[in-house]
Amino acid sequence: GAVVSQHPSRVICKSGTSVKIECRSLDFQATTMFWYRQFPKQSLMLMATSNEGSKATYEQGVEKDKFLINHASLTLSTLTVTSAHPEDSSFYICSVWAGGSGNTIYFGEGSWLTVV
Amino acid sequence: RKEVEQDPGPFNVPEGATVAFNCTYSNSASQSFFWYRQDCRKEPKLLMSVYSSGNEDGRFTAQLNRASQYISLLIRDSKLSDSATYLCVVNPGDNDMRFGAGTRLTVKP
Repeated sequence: GAVVSQHPSRVICKSGTSVKIECRSLDFQATTMFWYRQFPKQSLMLMATSNEGSKATYEQGVEKDKFLINHASLTLSTLTVTSAHPEDSSFYICSVWAGGSGNTIYFGEGSWLTVV
Repeated sequence: RKEVEQDPGPFNVPEGATVAFNCTYSNSASQSFFWYRQDCRKEPKLLMSVYSSGNEDGRFTAQLNRASQYISLLIRDSKLSDSATYLCVVNPGDNDMRFGAGTRLTVKP
């Protein structure tokens, strides 16, 4: 079964509105989650590392005020795309760090965002 | 220099062929190594971990050379269903993961 659940899987929104994407760890507590963006036929790009109870760490070039990340609990991280523009249309994926003996990451199913 | 670099591809091979992907990483302190597979418009999924002694899972063989900071993935007797993008992933430590850009493989009849 799924280890990480991401919702919604697809969303269409109007320019200027905000969209929230949820990432839930189903099988274990996750102190660290990752958010990625992937444009068609391009590679996965890490946007930010989400840490439970503290501020997210953003990669260079990613606007933290536009892509708001909240990791308020050990099982939930959210990404909010604020004031969305058509160029924000992309595939957004979260992943959860499974440390300890697992020592790898598991991905959510991804969310397709289309801004019209 | 990128932290994780892969063969750019794409690789187009016939069914039954053997194909090898290479990956290099820059952080010599990296601790764990993985190959992920990503199908079109889907999330990446773990294919296999890579161990220092090398490991095999059916038609897939992964090798790690720490001295050269090099990882490889060999696919034997390739199937149509092997068509995907293969991502080299390196854990440099501290709950972090770094991805290569991926190598696209297309297996043709």
